[in-house]
Amino acid sequence: DIQMTQSPSTLSASVGDRVTITCRASQSISSWLAWYQQKPGKAPKLLIYKASSLESGVPSRFSGSGSGTEFTLTISSLQPDDFATYYCQQYNSYFALTFGGGTKVEIK
Amino acid sequence: QVQLQESGPGLVKPSQTLSLTCTVSGGSISSGSYYWSWIRQPAGKGLEWIGRIYTSGSTNYNPSLKSRVTISVDTSKNQFSLKLSSVTAADTAVYYCAGHSSSVGVFDYWGQGTLVTVSS
Repeated sequence: DIQMTQSPSTLSASVGDRVTITCRASQSISSWLAWYQQKPGKAPKLLIYKASSLESGVPSRFSGSGSGTEFTLTISSLQPDDFATYYCQQYNSYFALTFGGGTKVEIK
Repeated sequence: QVQLQESGPGLVKPSQTLSLTCTVSGGSISSGSYYWSWIRQPAGKGLEWIGRIYTSGSTNYNPSLKSRVTISVDTSKNQFSLKLSSVTAADTAVYYCAGHSSSVGVFDYWGQGTLVTVSS
């Protein structure tokens, strides 16, 4: 299986801050990486696919970058609605999809 | 707009089989070349992909759960189902059904999730 490791596991930030979350794959996954946002009691919501493609309707303050084994999700200016947990997911290994452990973005 | 809804018992006894069904509405489960998955999330923890099925009936399972998992589809009812055998407390989680297109393995359709507790 391809292991996905996110860092940090928790991040404290203020409204307006620039926030960066890292996701590392245990082997190269090219650009086959997605990012999701999950709020308490809700299903995850797709934000970004193919490492840097923004899902329709997702605010442009969200951006993704990276390829191979290292990826980042950046929120350019954190908004109150962005406090949530973020997960990366690889789909290079098409028959064994795996998620990262999550990064919780908390209010500082 | 495709919507997914999980249903099934919220409480299962240890060693028994967990059974859940996902009903797809707003579109045919057979159209659009979609794979239909089950994903779970223990309280306070991350997401774990359990497995998926294509409308042809072909399946892929998480190797760590493969020996205990069966996913099936009933196209006449627009439903797909999960069976997880020999459950223990470690299988207590919120279970989501979700869908991704055959060309892109990202989940753009999700159910709301259903909590299944394994306890005697």
